[in-house]
Amino acid sequence: QKEVEQNSGPLSVPEGAIASLNCTYSDRVSQSFFWYRQYSGKSPELIMSIYSNGDKEDGRFTAQLNKASQYVSLLIRDSQPSDSATYLCAVSLTGGYNKLIFGAGTRLAVHP
Amino acid sequence: EAQVTQNPRYLITVTGKKLTVTCSQNMNHEYMSWYRQDPGLGLRQIYYSMNVEVTDKGDVPEGYKVSRKEKRNFPLILESPSPNQTSLYFCASSSTSGDETQYFGPGTRLLVL
Repeated sequence: QKEVEQNSGPLSVPEGAIASLNCTYSDRVSQSFFWYRQYSGKSPELIMSIYSNGDKEDGRFTAQLNKASQYVSLLIRDSQPSDSATYLCAVSLTGGYNKLIFGAGTRLAVHP
Repeated sequence: EAQVTQNPRYLITVTGKKLTVTCSQNMNHEYMSWYRQDPGLGLRQIYYSMNVEVTDKGDVPEGYKVSRKEKRNFPLILESPSPNQTSLYFCASSSTSGDETQYFGPGTRLLVL
Protein backbone atom coordinates (compact mmCIF):
# COMPACT_ATOMS: atom_id res chain seq x y z
CA GLN A 1 0.00 0.00 0.00
CA LYS A 2 1.31 3.41 -0.98
CA GLU A 3 2.07 5.67 1.96
CA VAL A 4 1.38 8.95 0.15
CA GLU A 5 -1.42 9.05 -2.37
CA GLN A 6 -2.11 11.63 -5.03
CA ASN A 7 -4.45 11.66 -7.99
CA SER A 8 -2.21 11.43 -11.05
CA GLY A 9 -4.41 13.76 -13.09
CA PRO A 10 -4.16 15.54 -15.34
CA LEU A 11 -6.08 18.20 -13.50
CA SER A 12 -7.17 20.73 -16.07
CA VAL A 13 -8.23 24.23 -14.96
CA PRO A 14 -8.83 27.45 -16.89
CA GLU A 15 -6.51 30.39 -16.46
CA GLY A 16 -7.51 32.49 -13.45
CA ALA A 17 -9.28 29.67 -11.64
CA ILE A 18 -8.33 28.00 -8.37
CA ALA A 19 -6.47 24.72 -8.72
CA SER A 20 -6.94 22.31 -5.83
CA LEU A 21 -4.40 19.52 -5.39
CA ASN A 22 -4.92 16.83 -2.81
CA CYS A 23 -2.76 14.34 -0.97
CA THR A 24 -3.47 11.71 1.65
CA TYR A 25 -0.95 9.86 3.77
CA SER A 26 -1.16 6.69 5.74
CA ASP A 27 1.14 7.17 8.74
CA ARG A 28 -0.41 9.09 11.61
CA VAL A 29 2.93 10.04 13.13
CA SER A 30 3.97 12.05 10.06
CA GLN A 31 5.37 15.38 11.15
CA SER A 32 6.41 17.44 8.13
CA PHE A 33 4.59 18.00 4.87
CA PHE A 34 5.89 19.48 1.66
CA TRP A 35 4.68 20.47 -1.78
CA TYR A 36 7.08 20.49 -4.71
CA ARG A 37 6.60 21.62 -8.28
CA GLN A 38 8.37 19.83 -11.10
CA TYR A 39 8.35 21.06 -14.66
CA SER A 40 8.85 18.44 -17.35
CA GLY A 41 12.52 17.49 -17.60
CA LYS A 42 13.50 19.64 -14.62
CA SER A 43 14.33 19.16 -10.97
CA PRO A 44 11.70 19.44 -8.25
CA GLU A 45 11.53 22.75 -6.45
CA LEU A 46 10.04 23.27 -3.02
CA ILE A 47 7.07 25.63 -3.02
CA MET A 48 5.47 25.08 0.40
CA SER A 49 6.08 23.35 3.69
CA ILE A 50 3.57 22.93 6.51
CA TYR A 51 3.95 21.39 9.94
CA SER A 52 0.79 22.11 11.91
CA ASN A 53 -2.92 21.87 11.28
CA GLY A 54 -4.56 24.69 9.42
CA ASP A 55 -3.67 26.86 6.49
CA LYS A 56 -0.39 28.39 5.40
CA GLU A 57 -0.38 31.01 2.70
CA ASP A 58 2.47 32.16 0.48
CA GLY A 59 1.47 34.43 -2.38
CA ARG A 60 -0.95 32.57 -4.65
CA PHE A 61 -0.31 29.29 -2.85
CA THR A 62 -2.10 27.97 0.23
CA ALA A 63 -1.25 24.69 1.89
CA GLN A 64 -3.85 23.09 4.13
CA LEU A 65 -3.15 20.34 6.66
CA ASN A 66 -5.62 18.20 8.53
CA LYS A 67 -3.77 15.61 10.59
CA ALA A 68 -6.95 14.01 11.93
CA SER A 69 -8.04 13.22 8.39
CA GLN A 70 -4.42 12.59 7.23
CA TYR A 71 -4.92 15.00 4.41
CA VAL A 72 -2.85 17.81 2.98
CA SER A 73 -3.83 20.01 0.07
CA LEU A 74 -2.42 22.78 -2.07
CA LEU A 75 -4.55 25.56 -3.49
CA ILE A 76 -3.26 27.71 -6.32
CA ARG A 77 -5.24 30.89 -6.79
CA ASP A 78 -5.40 32.80 -10.07
CA SER A 79 -3.82 29.85 -11.91
CA GLN A 80 -1.51 30.74 -14.76
CA PRO A 81 -0.32 28.64 -17.72
CA SER A 82 3.15 28.82 -16.12
CA ASP A 83 1.74 26.81 -13.20
CA SER A 84 1.33 23.82 -15.53
CA ALA A 85 3.61 21.20 -13.99
CA THR A 86 3.57 18.09 -11.85
CA TYR A 87 3.01 18.75 -8.16
CA LEU A 88 4.58 16.35 -5.70
CA CYS A 89 3.38 15.89 -2.15
CA ALA A 90 5.96 14.65 0.35
CA VAL A 91 5.69 13.57 3.96
CA SER A 92 8.33 13.02 6.60
CA LEU A 93 7.83 10.69 9.52
CA THR A 94 10.67 12.10 11.55
CA GLY A 95 10.60 15.79 10.74
CA GLY A 96 12.61 17.89 8.31
CA TYR A 97 13.69 16.12 5.15
CA ASN A 98 14.60 12.85 6.84
CA LYS A 99 12.82 9.70 5.67
CA LEU A 100 10.92 11.73 3.08
CA ILE A 101 8.15 9.81 1.29
CA PHE A 102 6.82 11.26 -1.96
CA GLY A 103 3.55 10.76 -3.73
CA ALA A 104 3.65 9.99 -7.44
CA GLY A 105 2.51 13.51 -8.27
CA THR A 106 -0.46 15.25 -9.85
CA ARG A 107 -0.10 16.77 -13.29
CA LEU A 108 -1.73 20.19 -13.52
CA ALA A 109 -2.61 21.76 -16.84
CA VAL A 110 -3.73 25.40 -16.87
CA HIS A 111 -5.27 26.36 -20.20
CA PRO A 112 -5.69 29.94 -21.45
CA GLU B 1 25.33 31.36 -7.33
CA ALA B 2 23.87 28.87 -4.87
CA GLN B 3 23.66 25.51 -6.54
CA VAL B 4 23.81 21.75 -6.34
CA THR B 5 25.82 20.11 -9.10
CA GLN B 6 25.76 16.51 -10.22
CA ASN B 7 28.08 14.64 -12.56
CA PRO B 8 27.68 13.03 -14.92
CA ARG B 9 24.31 14.24 -16.20
CA TYR B 10 23.86 11.20 -18.44
CA LEU B 11 25.45 7.80 -18.14
CA ILE B 12 25.09 4.51 -20.00
CA THR B 13 26.85 1.57 -18.42
CA VAL B 14 26.72 -2.21 -18.27
CA THR B 15 25.65 -4.54 -15.51
CA GLY B 16 28.25 -4.96 -12.81
CA LYS B 17 30.53 -2.07 -13.70
CA LYS B 18 31.04 0.08 -10.62
CA LEU B 19 30.12 3.71 -10.97
CA THR B 20 29.99 6.87 -8.89
CA VAL B 21 27.69 9.83 -9.32
CA THR B 22 29.07 12.93 -7.69
CA CYS B 23 27.06 15.61 -5.91
CA SER B 24 28.41 18.89 -4.65
CA GLN B 25 26.79 21.93 -3.06
CA ASN B 26 28.24 25.37 -2.42
CA MET B 27 25.81 26.55 0.27
CA ASN B 28 27.53 25.03 3.32
CA HIS B 29 24.45 22.88 3.92
CA GLU B 30 24.56 20.22 6.60
CA TYR B 31 21.86 18.03 5.08
CA MET B 32 22.16 16.18 1.78
CA SER B 33 20.19 13.35 0.24
CA TRP B 34 19.82 11.19 -2.85
CA TYR B 35 16.59 10.29 -4.62
CA ARG B 36 15.64 8.23 -7.62
CA GLN B 37 12.64 9.01 -9.78
CA ASP B 38 10.82 6.41 -11.81
CA PRO B 39 7.62 6.82 -13.87
CA GLY B 40 4.52 6.20 -11.79
CA LEU B 41 6.52 5.84 -8.58
CA GLY B 42 7.54 9.40 -7.94
CA LEU B 43 10.66 10.27 -6.00
CA ARG B 44 12.07 7.74 -3.58
CA GLN B 45 14.74 8.57 -1.07
CA ILE B 46 17.87 6.39 -1.24
CA TYR B 47 20.14 7.78 1.47
CA TYR B 48 20.48 10.97 3.41
CA SER B 49 23.18 12.62 5.47
CA MET B 50 22.74 14.98 8.39
CA ASN B 51 26.37 16.07 8.39
CA VAL B 52 29.91 14.88 7.74
CA GLU B 53 30.29 11.18 8.53
CA VAL B 54 26.57 10.90 9.43
CA THR B 55 24.46 8.98 6.92
CA ASP B 56 21.28 6.93 7.10
CA LYS B 57 19.13 4.82 4.83
CA GLY B 58 16.10 6.19 3.07
CA ASP B 59 13.32 4.20 1.50
CA VAL B 60 15.28 2.27 -1.15
CA PRO B 61 18.94 1.91 -0.12
CA GLU B 62 19.56 -1.58 -1.52
CA GLY B 63 22.33 -1.65 -4.11
CA TYR B 64 23.66 1.81 -3.23
CA LYS B 65 26.39 3.22 -1.03
CA VAL B 66 27.15 6.76 0.03
CA SER B 67 29.86 8.58 1.90
CA ARG B 68 30.11 12.04 3.45
CA LYS B 69 33.73 12.83 4.05
CA GLU B 70 33.39 16.52 3.28
CA LYS B 71 30.47 18.79 3.96
CA ARG B 72 30.06 19.88 0.34
CA ASN B 73 30.21 16.43 -1.32
CA PHE B 74 27.89 13.45 -1.15
CA PRO B 75 28.72 10.86 -3.82
CA LEU B 76 26.39 7.99 -4.70
CA ILE B 77 28.14 4.70 -5.42
CA LEU B 78 26.70 1.76 -7.31
CA GLU B 79 29.12 -1.10 -6.65
CA SER B 80 27.49 -3.52 -9.08
CA PRO B 81 24.78 -1.78 -11.09
CA SER B 82 21.84 -3.77 -12.36
CA PRO B 83 19.18 -2.88 -14.97
CA ASN B 84 16.61 -2.18 -12.24
CA GLN B 85 18.78 0.77 -11.18
CA THR B 86 18.09 2.47 -14.48
CA SER B 87 16.50 5.69 -13.32
CA LEU B 88 16.72 9.45 -12.93
CA TYR B 89 18.75 10.38 -9.86
CA PHE B 90 18.56 13.63 -7.93
CA CYS B 91 20.80 14.96 -5.20
CA ALA B 92 19.43 17.58 -2.83
CA SER B 93 20.74 19.72 0.01
CA SER B 94 19.34 21.94 2.72
CA SER B 95 20.31 23.74 5.86
CA THR B 96 19.16 22.26 9.13
CA SER B 97 18.53 25.69 10.53
CA GLY B 98 17.35 28.98 9.12
CA ASP B 99 16.42 28.69 5.45
CA GLU B 100 14.53 25.42 5.19
CA THR B 101 14.41 25.28 1.40
CA GLN B 102 15.67 22.05 -0.11
CA TYR B 103 17.68 22.59 -3.27
CA PHE B 104 17.83 19.90 -5.94
CA GLY B 105 20.58 19.19 -8.42
CA PRO B 106 19.81 18.96 -12.16
CA GLY B 107 19.54 15.17 -12.15
CA THR B 108 21.56 12.28 -13.55
CA ARG B 109 19.93 9.96 -16.04
CA LEU B 110 21.38 6.47 -15.72
CA LEU B 111 20.85 3.56 -18.09
CA VAL B 112 22.20 0.16 -17.04
CA LEU B 113 22.31 -2.39 -19.86
